[in-house]
Amino acid sequence: DTEVTQTPKHLVMGMTNKKSLKCEQHMGHRAMYWYKQKAKKPPELMFVYSYEKLSINESVPSRFSPECPNSSLLNLHLHALQPEDSALYLCASSQTTGANYGYTFGSGTRLTVV
Amino acid sequence: DQQVKQNSPSLSVQEGRISILNCDYTNSMFDYFLWYKKYPAEGPTFLISISSIKDKNEDGRFTVFLNKSAKHLSLHIVPSQPGDSAVYFCAATPYNFNKFYFGSGTKLNVKP
Repeated sequence: DTEVTQTPKHLVMGMTNKKSLKCEQHMGHRAMYWYKQKAKKPPELMFVYSYEKLSINESVPSRFSPECPNSSLLNLHLHALQPEDSALYLCASSQTTGANYGYTFGSGTRLTVV
Repeated sequence: DQQVKQNSPSLSVQEGRISILNCDYTNSMFDYFLWYKKYPAEGPTFLISISSIKDKNEDGRFTVFLNKSAKHLSLHIVPSQPGDSAVYFCAATPYNFNKFYFGSGTKLNVKP
């Protein structure tokens, strides 16, 4: 299995809703990432987990709450989002956080906040 | 301030010819560079990388060239195929730091 699987593929939520995005990989990668990509912009890093511990939080608002329950799973809990949070949310993984390993990206969750 | 720039938003090439995608960066601390390929509705997938100790890295039809003095890298695809049509992002990072700075992408269209 050489994939990063993200669910759901599409999500529409209201500003008062609570939802979660899920990311799963079974490649034995110990680094996992959340990116946010707005239209026509490059992906922006949000969070990095290394060996199930949060190692980087790129000043992301607290309405986004990441969780790494085990080495294969990465969640992003969403609460009280704003319409400007609508974007493609990408999960990625790599063997470690070191720069010598290429990433594997999931296909993303298209989030629309209404 | 965008530290990695891809100044050509799009490129159109005939099948079989060479595609050259360019990327410029401003941070002299960048030490490792990657190219990603993105199809519509998919996440970017890693394509090829190069570290600053090299000036060229080749993988099949894909070759990346790095000119550190000019802070410039390029991706050559030879021969180009219609399946190569996608958006190509370059990314850069200082060595041993796991934050990548992405360019804005170049959309490549390979015409049959």
